[in-house]
Amino acid sequence: KAGVTQTPRYLIKTRGQQVTLSCSPISGHRSVSWYQQTPGQGLQFLFEYFSETQRNKGNFPGRFSGRQFSNSRSEMNVSTLELGDSALYLCASSSTGGGSPLHFGNGTRLTVT
Amino acid sequence: DAKTTQPNSMESNEEEPVHLPCNHSTISGTDYIHWYRQLPSQGPEYVIHGLTSNVNNRMASLAIAEDRKSSTLILHRATLRDAAVYYCILRDNNFNKFYFGSGTKLNVKP
Repeated sequence: KAGVTQTPRYLIKTRGQQVTLSCSPISGHRSVSWYQQTPGQGLQFLFEYFSETQRNKGNFPGRFSGRQFSNSRSEMNVSTLELGDSALYLCASSSTGGGSPLHFGNGTRLTVT
Repeated sequence: DAKTTQPNSMESNEEEPVHLPCNHSTISGTDYIHWYRQLPSQGPEYVIHGLTSNVNNRMASLAIAEDRKSSTLILHRATLRDAAVYYCILRDNNFNKFYFGSGTKLNVKP
């Protein structure tokens, strides 16, 4: 089974621009969640999608948004980029239920200059 | 949000057992306890999970306290490849909002 695929691996943007990151989950997984990882704040939950609906959202500003398609692939978008948005963005897919492990991709490293 | 507390760092000698603790005093009855580890430049990797009983798999063992307010990840024989940041998180069936905390950085000495 193919793992979770995130594209691109690396991205450099300038302040004020917007960016879209992509995540392809493991086949059959309907839940996709997104995380931001920075040295200072650690791993922080952004949002989770299930069957094209956002089920949960973390404490991030509205500049961070996402969506999920009918094939469970997901995208997240960050508008009006700020320097502080530089981070590793990770997505994870899973089956439903608390006993289902999260399967992470290797992330997209975003640098905002 | 159900939160977990872990020591910032731990050190172990190669081929010795390692016990990584996690406190989760606000755990609810439907929360599963999950452990993940993250190597540099990679996404977190699933290690093990459990609900009430102790669990074993090829990677590790998970010991869960009787009151479920704490748990311990046990690596039976640490290797250099086990050096990573280990995260303990709670996940329930209904509310998929995960709090990872800062994790425990495990250093394994040869």
